[in-house]
Amino acid sequence: ETGVTQTPRHLVMGMTNKKSLKCEQHLGHNAMYWYKQSAKKPLELMFVYSLEERVENNSVPSRFSPECPNSSHLFLHLHTLQPEDSALYLCASSQNRGLTYGYTFGSGTRLTVV
Amino acid sequence: DAKTTQPPSMDCAEGRAANLPCNHSTISGNEYVYWYRQIHSQGPQYIIHGLKNNETNEMASLIITEDRKSSTLILPHATLRDTAVYYCIVRVNDRGSTLGRLYFGRGTQLTVWP
Repeated sequence: ETGVTQTPRHLVMGMTNKKSLKCEQHLGHNAMYWYKQSAKKPLELMFVYSLEERVENNSVPSRFSPECPNSSHLFLHLHTLQPEDSALYLCASSQNRGLTYGYTFGSGTRLTVV
Repeated sequence: DAKTTQPPSMDCAEGRAANLPCNHSTISGNEYVYWYRQIHSQGPQYIIHGLKNNETNEMASLIITEDRKSSTLILPHATLRDTAVYYCIVRVNDRGSTLGRLYFGRGTQLTVWP
């Protein structure tokens, strides 16, 4: 257990479904991130939240909608996904007072779109 | 852009030192070098980071060359559980913000054999 908890661990959804991924951190960090890892590809940074404000959106399709209601929780709302969106979705958090702090990652949600 | 170059794979005998190289020839003066590893289908795990001095912790040692254009991660006594993908990352100081980004490349697949 790293202090960053992601639920569910596995999710299978149809292309017309709506689902949400949840991330929770108990480390007192003030920044949170969503990454996507497709098979045999590097991790891709999707969204960055700092102090609950979205500061980065790396050209992610609108069928992915993040939400950060407070500094401890981060959601990724999913709707009308495509099979190519099947991947491991990873959440991370950090404390951004300067650049000397690393990220703590959760264990990820394995998403399969059918 | 990950800004780093690593060999795609390496092997190491159990109990021997594993030396993982990384080139980061375009690193800027205030950018840190981070190392993470990812065991299959889990979230990346922080190992160590440094700016210009060599660093050591309970997991590994980090040797950074004097010109900072390359570094080596050393696992002094590799075990089978060290088999993972190892990522060398230069943390980008984006537009003067303290919210540095971590961009992952493809990393090095280290296989430790008995």
